[in-house]
Amino acid sequence: GAVVSQHPSWVICKSGTSVKIECRSLDFQATTMFWYRQFPKQSLMLMATSNEGSKATYEQGVEKDKFLINHASLTLSTLTVTSAHPEDSSFYICSATPQGAPRGYTFGSGTRLTVV
Amino acid sequence: GDSVTQMEGPVTLSEEAFLTINCTYTATGYPSLFWYVQYPGEGLQLLLKATKADDKGSNKGFEATYRKETTSFHLEKGSVQVSDSAVYFCPLTGGGNKLTFGTGTQLKVEL
Repeated sequence: GAVVSQHPSWVICKSGTSVKIECRSLDFQATTMFWYRQFPKQSLMLMATSNEGSKATYEQGVEKDKFLINHASLTLSTLTVTSAHPEDSSFYICSATPQGAPRGYTFGSGTRLTVV
Repeated sequence: GDSVTQMEGPVTLSEEAFLTINCTYTATGYPSLFWYVQYPGEGLQLLLKATKADDKGSNKGFEATYRKETTSFHLEKGSVQVSDSAVYFCPLTGGGNKLTFGTGTQLKVEL
């Protein structure tokens, strides 16, 4: 149980276009999901906390207008990278935890974004 | 604020060697501690966890003990395999529900 599906697993896009990444909790409801960014050979940087039915909470230094997060249902959060540039190329990972779980977090398989 | 310090990698071992990856933390209160493993090109998988002092988490031959007196949660395995090659993270959750990560430690196991 507690499976998080992330899609797509990889995407290549042209500079200036927008890309949407989906994060779904398949067998549980998640009022909160988290979006991370990982640079090569580095740790995970929390970008934002996605809250179902309300605005996301962004970490300091993360551009809200650049990384749009929508959490419209209890099983789906989306991250849209708007007007992507090569420096946005990275590995993006989401995570969620079932309500009532003893602080167990399940991660998606990640999305490799390459902007050319 | 909360923080996690992991030993720098890469850690290179021969198959069947004993593994220790050090992890120490700084946090107020009583955090929950985790070990996650990340294989190349994949997301993170929970390896084990401990929620209170002296708890021992174990899974797939890996184990770690929550040591409050030394603020540590070192990962150990008695005999590593090539398939254990991955990056290992030991995040924590403090008073909130966010995971605080360290830098991760890359493990390479060779034949």
